[in-house]
Amino acid sequence: DVKVTQSSRYLVKRTGEKVFLECVQDMDHENMFWYRQDPGLGLRLIYFSYDVKMKEKGDIPEGYSVSREKKERFSLILESASTNQTSMYLCASSPLLLAGDSFYEQYFGPGTRLTVT
Amino acid sequence: GIQVEQSPPDLILQEGANSTLRCNFSDSVNNLQWFHQNPWGQLINLFYIPSGTKQNGRLSATTVATERYSLLYISSSQTTDSGVYFCAVESGGGADGLTFGKGTHLIIQP
Repeated sequence: DVKVTQSSRYLVKRTGEKVFLECVQDMDHENMFWYRQDPGLGLRLIYFSYDVKMKEKGDIPEGYSVSREKKERFSLILESASTNQTSMYLCASSPLLLAGDSFYEQYFGPGTRLTVT
Repeated sequence: GIQVEQSPPDLILQEGANSTLRCNFSDSVNNLQWFHQNPWGQLINLFYIPSGTKQNGRLSATTVATERYSLLYISSSQTTDSGVYFCAVESGGGADGLTFGKGTHLIIQP
């Protein structure tokens, strides 16, 4: 079974703090993703990565950065946390598309509920 | 970007009833997934179904790619089926991230 783990289920931080959210997958997947989920807005893509040290902006990258130093680990960084970043953060991974196949299926971690006060 | 609409937004049923959830999308897709989000926020993979029909126990799904919609069927509902069901699609090359619908909130009453 694919397993995606996130470092914390619940996190409370103060405004202005630097926050690290860690995500690890154990299936040797090339692609990794960070989403946030907010009531009424649904799930939105923040950043994604298709290889080590590679990163691409998603739909809402402002206020966030990411790091992928190892294939299995993808970190989301809030350089200076603000109250509008209070949200549920979900990490996902998926394998690389293989020729003739379409195995894009994404697998999600349990989520981190971040509160910024 | 691609648009995803789910209907109905809310659905309340009695235990044992059947239900059909719909997902419409605005462009051709390479990936379509159905998820169930449990009360703790975990997204549980139900189906990977960019086209065709699949069945898993009481759940089944059909995607008609040419008409840009997908249906999720739940038969003989149980209270544990309650939660939010999301449809999500991807139209790029497999590493572009999913676009989610707003979800269907399903409540199964005993």
